[in-house]
Amino acid sequence: DTQMTQSPSSLSASLGDRVTITCQASQDISIYLNWYHQKEGKAPKLLIYDASTLEAGVPSRFSGSGSGTDFTFTISSLQPEDLGTYYCQQYDNLPYSFGPGTKLDLK
Amino acid sequence: EVLLVESGGALVQPGGSLRVSCAAAGFNVSDNYINWVRQAPGKGLEWVSVAYADGNAYYTDSVKGRFTISRDDSKNTVHLEMNSLRSEDTAVYFCVRGSGWGQGTLVTVSS
Repeated sequence: DTQMTQSPSSLSASLGDRVTITCQASQDISIYLNWYHQKEGKAPKLLIYDASTLEAGVPSRFSGSGSGTDFTFTISSLQPEDLGTYYCQQYDNLPYSFGPGTKLDLK
Repeated sequence: EVLLVESGGALVQPGGSLRVSCAAAGFNVSDNYINWVRQAPGKGLEWVSVAYADGNAYYTDSVKGRFTISRDDSKNTVHLEMNSLRSEDTAVYFCVRGSGWGQGTLVTVSS
């Protein structure tokens, strides 16, 4: 099974800040990685798939990069609606494991 | 527009059984793969199962032999039959197709 790790586990930032989250896979998953955003009490929302492709309708301040085992997710300028928890998920091999999440709040 | 609506969540005793369902609209479940993902209270996301269009299904190790995913094409619905439920199965269960998620249904396993 592929284990996913994320860092940091939590992050405090100011509005307008550049925010970066990393995700690491325990084995090569090529580019088969999703990034999700979840607000409290809501279903997750897909932001990026195939490691760097922006889902339709998602603002361009979100971006992703990486391949193989190391991936990065960036918010170029933090907005109030971006607060919540971010998860990476690999879909290269079963089980389609998630990272433990990164909780983002305001400094 | 893709719409997924889960139902069937309930309070059930340890060792009991429950079936949760995912009604789909805007696409045919018979032509797509549907995932179940769960989230225990205050915890992260856990992938549970997938049903592929070719009929194959896969499960995470902790539910193998206890959970069964099935499809009712006539009702455009996917079910997750859960047996021998344990307290650690307590979670909100989401069905997922591509970028679309349902709102989730809460399963609580407790005496």
